[in-house]
Amino acid sequence: EAGVTQSPTHLIKTRGQQATLRCSPISGHTSVYWYQQALGLGLQFLLWYDEGEERNRGNFPPRFSGRQFPNYSSELNVNALELEDSALYLCASSAGQGSYGYTFGSGTRLTVV
Amino acid sequence: GNSVTQMEGPVTLSEEAFLTINCTYTATGYPSLFWYVQYPGEGLQLLLKATKADDKGSNKGFEATYRKETTSFHLEKGSVQVSDSAVYFCALTNSGNTPLVFGKGTRLSVIA
Repeated sequence: EAGVTQSPTHLIKTRGQQATLRCSPISGHTSVYWYQQALGLGLQFLLWYDEGEERNRGNFPPRFSGRQFPNYSSELNVNALELEDSALYLCASSAGQGSYGYTFGSGTRLTVV
Repeated sequence: GNSVTQMEGPVTLSEEAFLTINCTYTATGYPSLFWYVQYPGEGLQLLLKATKADDKGSNKGFEATYRKETTSFHLEKGSVQVSDSAVYFCALTNSGNTPLVFGKGTRLSVIA
C-alpha cells in the first residue's frame, strides 16, 4: 500500500512569489492535514480538509490556503512568500473525522530566498 | 487552548542507557496522548498512544503512561540503541474531530 506522498520534495522560491505543494493521501483516507515544521518551533497546525471541505484552520494568515479534490488529494498554496515561510511542510492523512490514526508524508522543504 | 510541553533537547546518551523524555500537557476534558518519532529525512511515525488515564502505550521497547493527576505522558526506554537517534514529539487531541497538537520535539542522539 502506498503511503502519503508529497511533491515536490524540495522547492525554492523568491520572496513575493507563490508556492503550491501537493499531497496524496493513503487510499481510503478522506482527511488531509497540513502542518508547518519550522526550525525550533515544532509542528504548527495549518489546515484540515475532510470530504472536500475545510474543517479547521490554524493560526496562520489568509495567504496560506488550500483545497481538497474529489479524489481526496490536496493542495497547499502559499501566496506572497516571506522569508519566514521557509520550513518543512508536512501532510498527513487519516480515515476521517473521529479517526486518531495519522499517517505522515516525508514533507516538502520550502526555501524562500 | 490545548498545549504540549516537552523537555528541551538535544539529549545525548550512550548506547544501553536509560531514556526519559518528559511531556506535560494542558487540555480540557480527557485528551488522547501520542508519541511520534521522526527519523532524519523522514516524516513522522506513530510510536505509541494512550487514550485514557492510567493507560500505558508501548512499542519497540518504548513506554509511556497516561498520568491524569500530573497531566504527564513521559516517554521511557530501558536501553537505547544508536538506531533510536531521532526527534520525538509528544502530541494530543481532545477527540478525533480536532487536529493533533504537537510539542516542539526533543532530539535524541545515541552514541556507540
